[in-house]
Amino acid sequence: AQSVTQLGSHVSVSEGALVLLRCNYSSSVPPYLFWYVQYPNQGLQLLLKYTTGATLVKGINGFEAEFKKSETSFHLTKPSAHMSDAAEYFCAVSHGSGNTGKLIFGQGTTLQVKP
Amino acid sequence: DTGVSQNPRHKITKRGQNVTFRCDPISEHNRLYWYRQTLGQGPEFLTYFQNEAQLEKSRLLSDRFSAERPKGSFSTLEIQRTEQGDSAMYLCASSLGDMGRDTQYFGPGTRLTVL
Repeated sequence: AQSVTQLGSHVSVSEGALVLLRCNYSSSVPPYLFWYVQYPNQGLQLLLKYTTGATLVKGINGFEAEFKKSETSFHLTKPSAHMSDAAEYFCAVSHGSGNTGKLIFGQGTTLQVKP
Repeated sequence: DTGVSQNPRHKITKRGQNVTFRCDPISEHNRLYWYRQTLGQGPEFLTYFQNEAQLEKSRLLSDRFSAERPKGSFSTLEIQRTEQGDSAMYLCASSLGDMGRDTQYFGPGTRLTVL
């Protein structure tokens, strides 16, 4: 069975500081990995995803994540936080072989950005 | 491309009543997913369709829940004899393709409150 653990339900950073949101996954098969962002009263928006190939994935709004198989991690980073980055972030995994597309989500991390 | 739409956005009902939600996917997306999200948690998979065929249902989907996607376009999710534990945000997503790596695009959700 697949699962996702996001370490830290709340993360607070100052504007301009590094953002690091942690995600560890469990999967018996090679996974596909996703990061979504959710703003209040809006649907989830894809930030980036890893399927195959390059393990460092760049996404929208200056975010990137690195797939580390040995650590079963897919942490999300951004060099410099902006006030507009304040939102809830979800890491998700789907089955990397076969065609089922259901996503297994972590419990989410709320990012607060202080001025 | 107008995105995934869901109606209604909010629904308040009394325990024991039936409710129905509608999801209109992005045009020509062949896959449609339903998820449920409770406060402070990540979305949980409920079911998904490929065109009009319902291919997988979660154990979370009790016999009070039924979903349809006639003609492979919009989908409805019905909950019969609602219970207070059904209170949640119901999210719909659609994707183009038949692989787990395909990006799912989410609607804004329908928030259900059962009194």
